[in-house]
Amino acid sequence: AQKVTQAQTEISVVEKEDVTLDCVYETRDTTYYLFWYKQPPSGELVFLIRRNSFDEQNEISGRYSWNFQKSTSSFNFTITASQVVDSAVYFCALGNGNNRKLIWGLGTSLAVNP
Amino acid sequence: DTGVSQNPRHKITKRGQNVTFRCDPISEHNRLYWYRQTLGQGPEFLTYFQNEAQLEKSRLLSDRFSAERPKGSFSTLEIQRTEQGDSAMYLCASSLVLAAYNEQFFGPGTRLTVL
Repeated sequence: AQKVTQAQTEISVVEKEDVTLDCVYETRDTTYYLFWYKQPPSGELVFLIRRNSFDEQNEISGRYSWNFQKSTSSFNFTITASQVVDSAVYFCALGNGNNRKLIWGLGTSLAVNP
Repeated sequence: DTGVSQNPRHKITKRGQNVTFRCDPISEHNRLYWYRQTLGQGPEFLTYFQNEAQLEKSRLLSDRFSAERPKGSFSTLEIQRTEQGDSAMYLCASSLVLAAYNEQFFGPGTRLTVL
C-alpha cells in the first residue's frame, strides 16, 4: 500500500521561530518520488521540491531545507526563521509507478504569528 | 501568463444540474491531471491524460463524471446530475513527462458548490 502520513494537523509559531513539518511515507516500490507543496489561503498549490528515492542528499533553498531519510521513510521539511508569509497548508506527496499520480498526505496547517 | 489556468473559478449550481469545467495546461506539457479536494483533505486523484489519451480513472470517478482532452491540449471535466457531495475544489495539474519524473504544476482550481 502507498500512504503518506503528516501527523501534525496544525502548527502555530511566532515569527522568526524555526519549524519542522513531518512527513512519513509507505511504499513497496524501490523507485519513487517525494514532493512538498504549499497551499496558501488563495488555494493554489505551489510546488516546492521533488526528491528521488535514490538521492538521499538533503537540500537547502534559502530558509527552506529538507531532510530525506530512507531508513525511517521520512521526508521532513524545515523552515528557518519563519515569516508570516509562510502561513499556509503544506502537503507532502508520494509519486511512483508509471502513471505518476500523486498520493497526498492530509496536510499540515502552519500559522506564523507576528 | 504561462501557468495552468482553470475556468470558471467558482461555480454554484443546484442539485441535479450538469456542470463543466475547463483546464488549460502549460502549453508544452503532455500530461494533464484532475484532482478533487475537500476541506481539510489533501487532493484526491480523479483521472489523468497523456496527450489525448485518458490513461487512468479513479474508482472515485462515478459514471456521472466524464473528462476529455480532445486535442491533447485543454481538458474538460463534466459532472452530470450533480449531488451535494460533489461540492469541492476541482484541481487541474499538468506536467511534462520525459525520462525523469517531472513535478506537476497546479492551476487555481474551480470551487463547486452544489445547493
